[in-house]
Amino acid sequence: DSGVTQTPKHLITATGQRVTLRCSPRSGDLSVYWYQQSLDQGLQFLIHYYNGEERAKGNILERFSAQQFPDLHSELNLSSLELGDSALYFCASSVADSGGTLIHEQYFGPGTRLTVT
Amino acid sequence: GNSVTQMEGPVTLSEEAFLTINCTYTATGYPSLFWYVQYPGEGLQLLLKATKADDKGSNKGFEATYRKETTSFHLEKGSVQVSDSAVYFCALLNNQAGTALIFGKGTTLSVSS
Repeated sequence: DSGVTQTPKHLITATGQRVTLRCSPRSGDLSVYWYQQSLDQGLQFLIHYYNGEERAKGNILERFSAQQFPDLHSELNLSSLELGDSALYFCASSVADSGGTLIHEQYFGPGTRLTVT
Repeated sequence: GNSVTQMEGPVTLSEEAFLTINCTYTATGYPSLFWYVQYPGEGLQLLLKATKADDKGSNKGFEATYRKETTSFHLEKGSVQVSDSAVYFCALLNNQAGTALIFGKGTTLSVSS
């Protein structure tokens, strides 16, 4: 158990709908990262938040957005869902933002499997 | 840019066989390197890491050495078990280029008794 929790575990929804995925980082971790795992694209970085502020964006679609709250949990919002958005969405956390000289490993949650029908 | 290339799987071995999964990387500067493992139906678990050249990461009988001269971080285990069956991902983190882990495509390992 990494200490990172994600809810829900599974989500089935229809095209055009909007969903929210939730992540709670490990105790003491200030950074939260979101990744998407799909068969064709592999594991891709979406977005990084550090202590409530957005720090980096990857291949995140405009239909997707995220935020990190004062209690450090994070939510990933996916809207106008398409079939191609079906994937496993992982949240990871780390102590720091790796913007300094120290590199901190990221610990992953169990993921949310999203199926868009 | 930064990228990771892993050997394609699946890798199929008998119990107690020697395992090598090749990983090479392209990066500017001095990245940190990681191996993550994903068991069926689960999330990614950090298996081991190395943060500078010639470092050896090790955990649960697995080890990998950060070779800057060959830009490689091959994963090895002397004697695999059925319980090692999983997907293994090599990844790099380059804080000069951002905060995201960059993953290889993953290598599926299947160990039979």
